[in-house]
Amino acid sequence: KNQVEQSPQSLIILEGKNCTLQCNYTVSPFSNLRWYKQDTGRGPVSLTIMTFSENTKSNGRYTATLDADTKQSSLHITASQLSDSASYICVVSDGNAGNMLTFGGGTRLMVKP
Amino acid sequence: DAGVIQSPRHEVTEMGQEVTLRCKPISGHDYLFWYRQTMMRGLELLIYFNNNVPIDDSGMPEDRFSAKMPNASFSTLKIQPSEPRDSAVYFCASSGAGANGRSDEQFFGPGTRLTVL
Repeated sequence: KNQVEQSPQSLIILEGKNCTLQCNYTVSPFSNLRWYKQDTGRGPVSLTIMTFSENTKSNGRYTATLDADTKQSSLHITASQLSDSASYICVVSDGNAGNMLTFGGGTRLMVKP
Repeated sequence: DAGVIQSPRHEVTEMGQEVTLRCKPISGHDYLFWYRQTMMRGLELLIYFNNNVPIDDSGMPEDRFSAKMPNASFSTLKIQPSEPRDSAVYFCASSGAGANGRSDEQFFGPGTRLTVL
């Protein structure tokens, strides 16, 4: 069964600090991995996407890494801002016809002033 | 483009009542997805359509749930009769087709928060 596990479930950091969120997956076949940001009361929005051959991708202060051998990914947030407070969801696509998504449970990040 | 549009944004109803959620996908997108999100279970795929045809409805919890897509610009998710355990946020997402014909990046709507009393 395809699964995506994220850790930690929740995290509180002070504004300006860095943090790293983790994602482990068992999805086969593998097509790509995305990190989504979901603000409270909104739908998820894609931050980064990585395919099998990519091991790092940046989007501003967000940097995602992928180790396809160990089936692990991380999302590093640099110099956190209050607006980074949200849930971050790791999502893995399979390579089948529907390119279906398997969602992690998310990490709820709170950035405090 | 206005993005994926969902209505209503909030719905409060009583157990046993019929509930209809609506979605307008991004124009030109071939795929439409309905998801349910709860604190306990996270995001779950209920059903998805390709070119208005339901492809996989294995995530639909039971016969009380039904979804239709009468045309490329409109879809509904209906719950009849509704139960308190259906309380959740329901998201609609749409995507285009990538070079290989498969679903590309999914764009999510703002969701409908459903409360069944």
